[in-house]
Amino acid sequence: QKEVEQDPGPLSVPEGAIVSLNCTYSNSAFQYFMWYRQYSRKGPELLMYTYSSGNKEDGRFTAQVDKSSKYISLFIRDSQPSDSATYLCAMTGGYQKVTFGTGTKLQVIP
Amino acid sequence: DGGITQSPKYLFRKEGQNVTLSCEQNLNHDAMYWYRQDPGQGLRLIYYSQIVNDFQKGDIAEGYSVSREKKESFPLTVTSAQKNPTAFYLCASKTAGYGYTFGSGTRLTVV
Repeated sequence: QKEVEQDPGPLSVPEGAIVSLNCTYSNSAFQYFMWYRQYSRKGPELLMYTYSSGNKEDGRFTAQVDKSSKYISLFIRDSQPSDSATYLCAMTGGYQKVTFGTGTKLQVIP
Repeated sequence: DGGITQSPKYLFRKEGQNVTLSCEQNLNHDAMYWYRQDPGQGLRLIYYSQIVNDFQKGDIAEGYSVSREKKESFPLTVTSAQKNPTAFYLCASKTAGYGYTFGSGTRLTVV
């Protein structure tokens, strides 16, 4: 079993839809949770960062962490064609290496 | 602007040849990392370095080598021992707990 599981998609939604992206994990030492967005042929860029459990909102993006269930989510409201990318979840205990999910490819159709 | 610069963007390697991928950062980050990205497999850690003159093997270090002589630089050499080197290579740097800053990647192809 992988430490981090992420549905690879692809996920195709119409413009304006609410998108839900999810990851599950098995390592209870993880405390820092991140979401990266990666456009084709580019390096990933940090989108959202949360520490421990709870919600964090940034514009159209909301990250949720449920440590009791070992489950994290990223919600995108009013999705735009420019949101079309691969979304990677990532997590770490702090000073240790970061463990990544395999990524979910999202396509937002105009 | 601070960031990570990877070069070249595209690299072609002949069978039996060693090639070196460059990674330079001006973020003053201590830790630097090399990842390999293949379709459907996500990011796999090759090597990482937490301080100058020290580095550790990641999950898939065989066929690769690194050096860390300066804080700003962490080059990766793909040796002839790496039998399947065609992939997208990503360099990153990190401060504790704040996630990675990635470079724009190098796409290596064996010809």
